[in-house]
Amino acid sequence: DAGVTQSPTHLIKTRGQHVTLRCSPISGHKSVSWYQQVLGQGPQFIFQYYEKEERGRGNFPDRFSARQFPNYSSELNVNALLLGDSALYLCASSPVQETQYFGPGTRLLVL
Amino acid sequence: GQQLNQSPQSMFIQEGEDVSMNCTSSSIFNTWLWYKQDPGEGPVLLIALYKAGELTSNGRLTAQFGITRKDSFLNISASIPSDVGIYFCAGHYTSGGSNYKLTFGKGTLLTVNP
Repeated sequence: DAGVTQSPTHLIKTRGQHVTLRCSPISGHKSVSWYQQVLGQGPQFIFQYYEKEERGRGNFPDRFSARQFPNYSSELNVNALLLGDSALYLCASSPVQETQYFGPGTRLLVL
Repeated sequence: GQQLNQSPQSMFIQEGEDVSMNCTSSSIFNTWLWYKQDPGEGPVLLIALYKAGELTSNGRLTAQFGITRKDSFLNISASIPSDVGIYFCAGHYTSGGSNYKLTFGKGTLLTVNP
């Protein structure tokens, strides 16, 4: 079975630009979560969606938004990029909300 | 907010040695998870613990959910070179369905000398 897939794998943007990251969960999983991981730290929670509804939001500014589609895939959008947004963005899917399985991540570099 | 203290920050061991790492929290969790992350990859789930006092094994890995619900440990027996990586603990707490995030520790970097 395919695991969680994310695209793109790498991305370079400049300050002020907008970015969209995509995630496809494991087949049968209805919950998708997004995390930001900066170098040397553990992942930090951004959003969780379940059945297309936002179920949780971390301490991130409104520049960050997300949505989940009817097929349970998800997009994370970040507007007005800052240098500090450079990080590995991880998507996780889960059959139940606690046990989360991560994708390989999208590495975003903001110049 | 909830914080996880993970220790040690790093370990350098010889192949064949046993390893132990742990996490403590300022508040209780309902679920403890242990992940391993290789460079440039996403975290891979190793063990999930759902009950206080639970002891679970996965091959050479053993993890326990502390009875206070504020701590967990992971042991690796007879380490091998492919055990190299960063190990993260993560906790989850739900109260009336209001908290769905995983809170992660800062990780333990494990290096195994062949």
